[in-house]
Amino acid sequence: AQKITQTQPGMFVQEKEAVTLDCTYDTSDPSYGLFWYKQPSSGEMIFLIYQGSYDQQNATEGRYSLNFQKARKSANLVISASQLGDSAMYFCAMRAPMDSNYQLIWGAGTKLIIKP
Amino acid sequence: DAGVIQSPRHEVTEMGQEVTLRCKPISGHNSLFWYRQTMMRGLELLIYFNNNVPIDDSGMPEDRFSAKMPNASFSTLKIQPSEPRDSAVYFCASSLYTGELFFGEGSRLTVL
Repeated sequence: AQKITQTQPGMFVQEKEAVTLDCTYDTSDPSYGLFWYKQPSSGEMIFLIYQGSYDQQNATEGRYSLNFQKARKSANLVISASQLGDSAMYFCAMRAPMDSNYQLIWGAGTKLIIKP
Repeated sequence: DAGVIQSPRHEVTEMGQEVTLRCKPISGHNSLFWYRQTMMRGLELLIYFNNNVPIDDSGMPEDRFSAKMPNASFSTLKIQPSEPRDSAVYFCASSLYTGELFFGEGSRLTVL
């Protein structure tokens, strides 16, 4: 069955340091997409980055990059040069058409706190 | 471009009352999702529609919950009668095929 695991319930990181948020997934579908979302304390869910299972390159969006290791079934989010505004909950999610009928399967989230 | 629009943003009601939450998805998107988020249970998918047709409503808690999508630009989630345990933030999200979901700002429901 499809599953997303985020093993870090919470993290403290010093401002300006790089951050890696872990995400592992499980699916038998050869075609799938992986997503990261940010939820600040204000509550909105903000899409950050997407990686397709057939993409050869790791996805990047500004300070966000996705370290995609297909054989290990991991899709870690890397935030470079962290800022105070990066403090938020971060969710990893997967969409596998065959496994989950196009629904997103969500991880439990990681609460990231950036220290000044 | 307008994002996903939800109303009301906040709703406080008494137990037993009917609650209707509304959602306008992004124009052109063909999938619409209703989620509920609580501290205890995290983010739960309630129902999702594809091309206005409900595809999976297995997440709808019980018969008190119902959702409709009469056209591509409007959906409602109704709770009747409401109970205190329904208090949560309800998100609507839309997407185009298998792309990323775009979320509304959420409707915070408090049932007293």
